[in-house]
Amino acid sequence: DAKTTQPPSMDCAEGRAANLPCNHSTISGNEYVYWYRQIHSQGPQYIIHGLKNNETNEMASLIITEDRKSSTLILPHATLRDTAVYYCIDRLYNQGGKLIFGQGTELSVKP
Amino acid sequence: EPEVTQTPSHQVTQMGQEVILRCVPISNHLYFYWYRQILGQKVEFLVSFYNNEISEKSEIFDDQFSVERPDGSNFTLKIRSTKLEDSAMYFCASSLGTQTYGYTFGSGTRLTVV
Repeated sequence: DAKTTQPPSMDCAEGRAANLPCNHSTISGNEYVYWYRQIHSQGPQYIIHGLKNNETNEMASLIITEDRKSSTLILPHATLRDTAVYYCIDRLYNQGGKLIFGQGTELSVKP
Repeated sequence: EPEVTQTPSHQVTQMGQEVILRCVPISNHLYFYWYRQILGQKVEFLVSFYNNEISEKSEIFDDQFSVERPDGSNFTLKIRSTKLEDSAMYFCASSLGTQTYGYTFGSGTRLTVV
């Protein structure tokens, strides 16, 4: 079973920042935080990952609290194409380890 | 950008028939995976494959399932005798196996068992 908890759904206005929270209550020291999204039954798409520092790439920013028990994925200027189910996943630090998906957060970006 | 390619995009098969789902992972990736998603449910891990052998499998991946990398480029999932409950989207994924990169998933094969 997934170890993370996320709100089932969120809305965001187009052009505004979308902040998606995730709780990692049982994350261990050798687990990374990964974020993926799934747009309408397509294959999941990698967004970003981090261990304990905040991370940013061309898609999003990832904020991880100091105790690593929670993280927030930030889409700085959400567009309609960002409407998707977003998953946060704790992944063991071993090469090739599997991903365990939860139910995720269904983000609806509205005009 | 490199892609994981899956064929066919949709397959309909009769219950009890064998089906083979095909995937071409990204060429320099080392780890290969199959996941499935029953309509309206979570994405579920089936199996991981490394160095020409299964490295991990889930409870779902029973004796009816098998995987193969027959020619160094393709990665296949075979379901020996399909059941109605095998109807799902099947996703192939590949990764370099390092923490630096995430996995890349294919766009999936929708399997319908009738």
